[in-house]
Amino acid sequence: AQSVTQLDSQVPVFEEAPVELRCNYSSSVSVYLFWYVQYPNQGLQLLLKYLSGSTLVKGINGFEAEFNKSQTSFHLRKPSVHISDTAEYFCAVTLTGGGNKLTFGTGTQLKVEL
Amino acid sequence: EAGVAQSPRYKIIEKRQSVAFWCNPISGHATLYWYQQILGQGPKLLIQFQNNGVVDDSQLPKDRFSAERLKGVDSTLKIQPAKLEDSAVYLCASSWTVKASSGNTIYFGEGSWLTVV
Repeated sequence: AQSVTQLDSQVPVFEEAPVELRCNYSSSVSVYLFWYVQYPNQGLQLLLKYLSGSTLVKGINGFEAEFNKSQTSFHLRKPSVHISDTAEYFCAVTLTGGGNKLTFGTGTQLKVEL
Repeated sequence: EAGVAQSPRYKIIEKRQSVAFWCNPISGHATLYWYQQILGQGPKLLIQFQNNGVVDDSQLPKDRFSAERLKGVDSTLKIQPAKLEDSAVYLCASSWTVKASSGNTIYFGEGSWLTVV
């Protein structure tokens, strides 16, 4: 079975600084990878996803992620964060051909400070 | 385009009582999901429907949870009797999946917040 590990439960960062949120996955077969964002009292919104092709994926709000198969990682990055990026970020994985069932990590709380 | 609609947004009940949550997916989406998100954890899939059939309910506690999607559109998730550990956000989601392919974007509703006291 597949699993996702988000090692950082909280990441504090100052506004306009770069940030990286780490995600590692475990699976014996090919996977699709996703990053979702959850603002307070709201549902989850897709930031970006990797299905195939270029390993560098660009998403909404200036975020990007890089798929690294050898290191089984899919880290999320943004070169300059804004206060409005404060939210919970979830990495998720599904098996290719696996019926679109997402397995989520435990989330990383990004707190952007002035 | 309207998103995934859920109601009620908030519910407080006593343990051993029952509760029901309703979800209306994005128009035309064949697949509907119910996820449970306990505070401090990532969402966990409870049940997945394809049209009006169940694809996966392996993580649904069937002694107390039930879900239906009778006409292949909206869905209801019921808990009876509720336990304290059922306190969570119940997220409904939908996607375009026609067959058992994956990779399609899953769109989430805002969730129904349940507190069991």
